[in-house]
Amino acid sequence: SQTIHQWPATLVQPVGSPLSLECTVEGTSNPNLYWYRQAAGRGLQLLFYSVGIGQISSEVPQNLSASRPQDRQFILSSKKLLLSDSGFYLCAWSADRERGYTFGSGTRLTVV
Amino acid sequence: AQSVTQLGSHVSVSEGALVLLRCNYSSSVPPYLFWYVQYPNQGLQLLLKYTSAATLVKGINGFEAEFKKSETSFHLTKPSAHMSDAAEYFCGAGNEKLTFGTGTRLTIIP
Repeated sequence: SQTIHQWPATLVQPVGSPLSLECTVEGTSNPNLYWYRQAAGRGLQLLFYSVGIGQISSEVPQNLSASRPQDRQFILSSKKLLLSDSGFYLCAWSADRERGYTFGSGTRLTVV
Repeated sequence: AQSVTQLGSHVSVSEGALVLLRCNYSSSVPPYLFWYVQYPNQGLQLLLKYTSAATLVKGINGFEAEFKKSETSFHLTKPSAHMSDAAEYFCGAGNEKLTFGTGTRLTIIP
């Protein structure tokens, strides 16, 4: 069966520090991968999605970037965190659009 | 671009009462539609989905949703609320990528 792993679960980082959040999927190949951010009262905002290795689409220009170095690995990064980067980050994967997404357990990021 | 509107950021119902959570989408071409549930500090769990088969879709935990093209709606219902239904619910719509509403927090009153 397919599983999605996301870590760390919580993270407290100072302003200006770098960020790396990792997401991996097991049990499938060539998944579509997504990064969402959830801020209080704002629902889920799509940040990046990828349909294949090295193929990244950015939905919102911002302080973050994403990479897909391997088929089932999706990384969210920042060189210098801002206070506004705080939030709950969710990784998701899908095999095709009919099945919907499967979400990871999320990372709670607090920038201080 | 696709947009999703969830009317009511907070909904409270008594235990045993009907649950109705509203969702409207913007696309002129019916997209795939989904409802997800989120418990505190957890990821989202799929409740049900509409993929152009039956317009009344049944999901897990007794929830169901009806797709109405004329109203561009996909409202979520449950005949009898249970305390364990207290959570946040998100409606999503799209094809290649999903756009979500801002969520509805459901509170169950004992």
